[in-house]
Amino acid sequence: DTAVSQTPKYLVTQMGNDKSIKCEQNLGHDTMYWYKQDSKKFLKIMFSYNNKELIINETVPNRFSPKSPDKAHLNLHINSLELGDSAVYFCASSPGGASYNEQFFGPGTRLTVL
Amino acid sequence: LAKTTQPISMDSYEGQEVNITCSHNNIATNDYITWYQQFPSQGPRFIIQGYKTKVTNEVASLFIPADRKSSTLSLPRVSLSDTAVYYCLVGDSGNTGKLIFGQGTTLQVKP
Repeated sequence: DTAVSQTPKYLVTQMGNDKSIKCEQNLGHDTMYWYKQDSKKFLKIMFSYNNKELIINETVPNRFSPKSPDKAHLNLHINSLELGDSAVYFCASSPGGASYNEQFFGPGTRLTVL
Repeated sequence: LAKTTQPISMDSYEGQEVNITCSHNNIATNDYITWYQQFPSQGPRFIIQGYKTKVTNEVASLFIPADRKSSTLSLPRVSLSDTAVYYCLVGDSGNTGKLIFGQGTTLQVKP
């Protein structure tokens, strides 16, 4: 069973388009995250939700909007895509919101903006 | 959150023990030290975590000196499949969940 799953795995799109990435976890965790990993492999947190409530919102353009319909899902919607948005996006979850809790990462979504 | 410094890359051979040291001079009293592993085209995976002294699990050992300003991840008898990026992180016990990943150490295991 996949603990944290993301769809799609690959996403190729044109500049200016709007796209969404979906994430689901079946671990019963309270907290979910979105990370962005750029071409230089730096992994940076974007958002964190705890029980559907936003608790971390890093300096991310407001073209990025996370949505958590329930505790098991955290989707990422991106408006007006730009070339610089090309990266691998990882979803993660953890049993609590503390930074010492083990985070379980999904397989990643490779977004390519042309 | 405290910043960490670790070597950018390391090479090793199969069967050797690999030690990766991480510096975190500004670690706070409540900070834990956590290591994650990332294989190409996969998300990071938790390896080990500690607060002080030594922690050992089935994958690795973590050595933390008394001043906690550094830590060493020890991988016994590495194999080719241990080739990955290893990240050292420190995080506080507050409910932020915020992890700051540095550059990590790219470990290349050779036959």
